[in-house]
Amino acid sequence: QSALTQPRSVSGSPGQSVTISCTGTSSAFGGYNYVSWYQHHPGKAPKLMIYDVGKRPSGVPDRFSGSKSGNTASLTISGLQAEDEADYYCCSYAGSYTVFGGGTKLTVL
Amino acid sequence: QVQLQESGPGLVKPSQTLSLTCTVSGGSISSSNYYWSWIRQPAGKGLEWIGRIYTSGGSNYNPSLKSRVTISVDTSNNQFSLKLSSVTAADTAIYYCARGFVGATHGFDYWGQGTLVTVSS
Repeated sequence: QSALTQPRSVSGSPGQSVTISCTGTSSAFGGYNYVSWYQHHPGKAPKLMIYDVGKRPSGVPDRFSGSKSGNTASLTISGLQAEDEADYYCCSYAGSYTVFGGGTKLTVL
Repeated sequence: QVQLQESGPGLVKPSQTLSLTCTVSGGSISSSNYYWSWIRQPAGKGLEWIGRIYTSGGSNYNPSLKSRVTISVDTSNNQFSLKLSSVTAADTAIYYCARGFVGATHGFDYWGQGTLVTVSS
């Protein structure tokens, strides 16, 4: 059982916003703010969308944003587009180990 | 552009050792700015972190796999490798290699395309 819990699925219509939560124990985050988020289209390599809770790598649209409050991290996607439909995983670096959430399937209606 | 490519047998017999190699191109595996990880995804399931190695030689492993896993690095060939012993059907998965940041920041910025390893007799 993953130490980071994500909803199995979320959905939204084009143009809307959705938020994916990632709730963990304090040990899962290890007292660090090293939460990252990955977009995964089946058959492709996962893609880094957010790192260090809220930083965006170059090339990732600013429609993607991240935050963290207490033991819950969140990924918000605004202005949903069809190509955003994918699986999303949160990830926590907690010093001597790293853990992924169970993943959330985003459906764009 | 950094690229990672996994290679190794696609079929491993139960109780044997799974061995995979990740070849890094477009950048040096010896850079102190990064560490190198293996991550897997069983069919229909989520991503699971297996472990990582620093080019300084240090390594960390998933506690649930630690007794069976060894990750090593070959700087002369710009490669790092995974060995997973005593495999069972539960180890059937797509295996990814990835590059992670070192220091006051964290994320896996480059990934291989993944390679499917099936454990079956």
